[in-house]
Amino acid sequence: AQSVSQHNHHVILSEAASLELGCNYSYGGTVNLFWYVQYPGQHLQLLLKYFSGDPLVKGIKGFEAEFIKSKFSFNLRKPSVQWSDTAEYFCAVNARGNNRLAFGKGNQVVVIP
Amino acid sequence: EAGVAQSPRYKIIEKRQSVAFWCNPISGHATLYWYQQILGQGPKLLIQFQNNGVVDDSQLPKDRFSAERLKGVDSTLKIQPAKLEDSAVYLCASSLGLAGGRTYNEQFFGPGTRLTVL
Repeated sequence: AQSVSQHNHHVILSEAASLELGCNYSYGGTVNLFWYVQYPGQHLQLLLKYFSGDPLVKGIKGFEAEFIKSKFSFNLRKPSVQWSDTAEYFCAVNARGNNRLAFGKGNQVVVIP
Repeated sequence: EAGVAQSPRYKIIEKRQSVAFWCNPISGHATLYWYQQILGQGPKLLIQFQNNGVVDDSQLPKDRFSAERLKGVDSTLKIQPAKLEDSAVYLCASSLGLAGGRTYNEQFFGPGTRLTVL
C-alpha cells in the first residue's frame, strides 16, 4: 500500500514570501498525484493533479508542483504567497488503476499580512 | 453544478450511542468514498463504493462501522456503538469513476460531519 509523507506540519510566513511544501510517497508503481487545499471553514478542494506528461504541473491560484519520479516526490510551490493562502494543504497519492487515495498528514500554512 | 452534500454538519453523542451520517454525491458520479479525518491527520479511506457495490472496505472497523449505498446514489455511514476514539470529521467524496472506458480519479469532497463522542 502506498503512504505519503509531508514534513514541517506548521509553516508560518509573511506575505510575498515563497512557499514550498514537500511531499514524498512510497510506492514503486505508477501513481497519480494530487494536492488538496482546505481553507478555514471550507471543504477540501483540488489544487492540482498529475496523471502523466509534463512533470511540472500548474494549478489554481498560482500554485505549481513538480513530480520527480526518481525522488518519489511531488513538492508544491508558490513564488509569492498571499494572506488568502492561509489553509491546510494535503498531498495525496493513488496507484494507477486504484482509486484509493492515501493522504499525508497535511501542512498548516499561516500567512501573516 | 451542485457539490457533495452531507448531513448533519455537527453531531455530539455519548460513547456507546449510535450515529448515522448521510451523503449525496454529485449527480452522475458512480464512485463514492467515506473518509475519517482525525484531528492533525490526513483523511483515511474507510469504504469505497462503485455504484451500489463495495469496492474497498479493508480499513472499515466492521465490528462497529457499517455503510450502505442501496440505490447507487446516496449513502449512509453508521457507527454503533461509538467510542471516544471515533471523534473525527467524516468526509464523503465522489468521483465520476469508470466512464467511456477511462477511470476518472479526481475526487470531490463534501463539507464533512464533525463527530464528537463524549
